[in-house]
Amino acid sequence: GQQVMQIPQYQHVQEGEDFTTYCNSSTTLSNIQWYKQRPGGHPVFLIQLVKSGEVKKQKRLTFQFGEAKKNSSLHITATQTTDVGTYFCARNTDKLIFGTGTRLQVFP
Amino acid sequence: KAGVTQTPRYLIKTRGQQVTLSCSPISGHRSVSWYQQTPGQGLQFLFEYFSETQRNKGNFPGRFSGRQFSNSRSEMNVSTLELGDSALYLCASSRRDSTDTQYFGPGTRLTVL
Repeated sequence: GQQVMQIPQYQHVQEGEDFTTYCNSSTTLSNIQWYKQRPGGHPVFLIQLVKSGEVKKQKRLTFQFGEAKKNSSLHITATQTTDVGTYFCARNTDKLIFGTGTRLQVFP
Repeated sequence: KAGVTQTPRYLIKTRGQQVTLSCSPISGHRSVSWYQQTPGQGLQFLFEYFSETQRNKGNFPGRFSGRQFSNSRSEMNVSTLELGDSALYLCASSRRDSTDTQYFGPGTRLTVL
């Protein structure tokens, strides 16, 4: 189906450790978007990846689109407590299909 | 620019009732999409409206409906509420369509008792 799987479902890290979430699809993706939702908040757009093998950086965040355009990853270097939240990938069909999300908890 | 606004923020209803939620998009955005978020099912697309027409629809029963006005403001309605309808209902606006970058509102937390 169109479900986009994300792993892990939860991740607890010590502040300063790195974090990675993976987004996997069974079909080729035209592009992929990433969103962050803080606890009690709403999803906020982070980035869109379009090209095969594309890598984009936003400060400590690195986003990658797989060569086969079937997977994507978000890596956070040296996590901070402000990184706490749930990270979603979303695939484009005729609408956005959101992934299952990865909830990140950062302990100070 | 003001962000997406949604009213009310919180709502408590009982089974069998109906509810109407409202969304005002970012000025200039013509596409409004609605999503349901629950712990079990995650973020699920309900429908999208553009220029007062429903352009896309997710896999939800007919009890879920919506509309869009000429000023792009949108409402969604849920009739004959069920316990499982308890969720955070998020509205998002975008410039073009539901695959464009979505700008979400704060959501309406609906609790059905």
